[in-house]
Amino acid sequence: DAGVTQSPTHLIKTRGQQVTLRCSPKSGHDTVSWYQQALGQGPQFIFQYYEEEERQRGNFPDRFSGHQYPNYSSELNVNALLLGDSALYLCASSFCTQETQYFGPGTRLLVL
Amino acid sequence: KNEVEQSPQNLTAQEGEFITINCSYSVGISALHWLQQHPGGGIVSLFMLSSGKKKHGRLIATINIQEKHSSLHITASHPRDSAVYICAVKTSYDKVIFGPGTSLSVIP
Repeated sequence: DAGVTQSPTHLIKTRGQQVTLRCSPKSGHDTVSWYQQALGQGPQFIFQYYEEEERQRGNFPDRFSGHQYPNYSSELNVNALLLGDSALYLCASSFCTQETQYFGPGTRLLVL
Repeated sequence: KNEVEQSPQNLTAQEGEFITINCSYSVGISALHWLQQHPGGGIVSLFMLSSGKKKHGRLIATINIQEKHSSLHITASHPRDSAVYICAVKTSYDKVIFGPGTSLSVIP
């Protein structure tokens, strides 16, 4: 049984570009949450998807958007990248919104 | 003031020492998680607590709901315990808030 998987593992972009990160939840899970973790800091909640809809959102600008597909996989899109968007982006899945989350290995994004 | 705080921020210990990492929070919660993050970013969930105490191997986690405080203890620490330990709370509104993490280094 595969756990949470994310792709790509690493990514380098330049300012102003757009990026799409992907997450496949653990088998049986239907809820996906995305987090941004800057170097040396704890993860910050971006948003959560359940039943293909954004259910909760943290304090992130509209440049950060997402999508959940019928197979529960999810994408995180970031437009007009800024240098400050450089971080580790973590995806976590759970069964329903109230259960224990399982984390993926993360995608490390570097914006130059 | 952060809603979830941890202490200490950094910790260096000799192999075999007993280690305690503290977490305090200021919001109503339904559960508290202790997570371990190794260099490279992968996060592993160690414990989920809503009351009392849990033990797994050399790791012990306790929570005091009234005092809004939790501790993670590592007995007989080992260099492979070196990692960042993160306390995360799930609020009564299903929002997850992470602490800043405690960076632990265990020296042989």
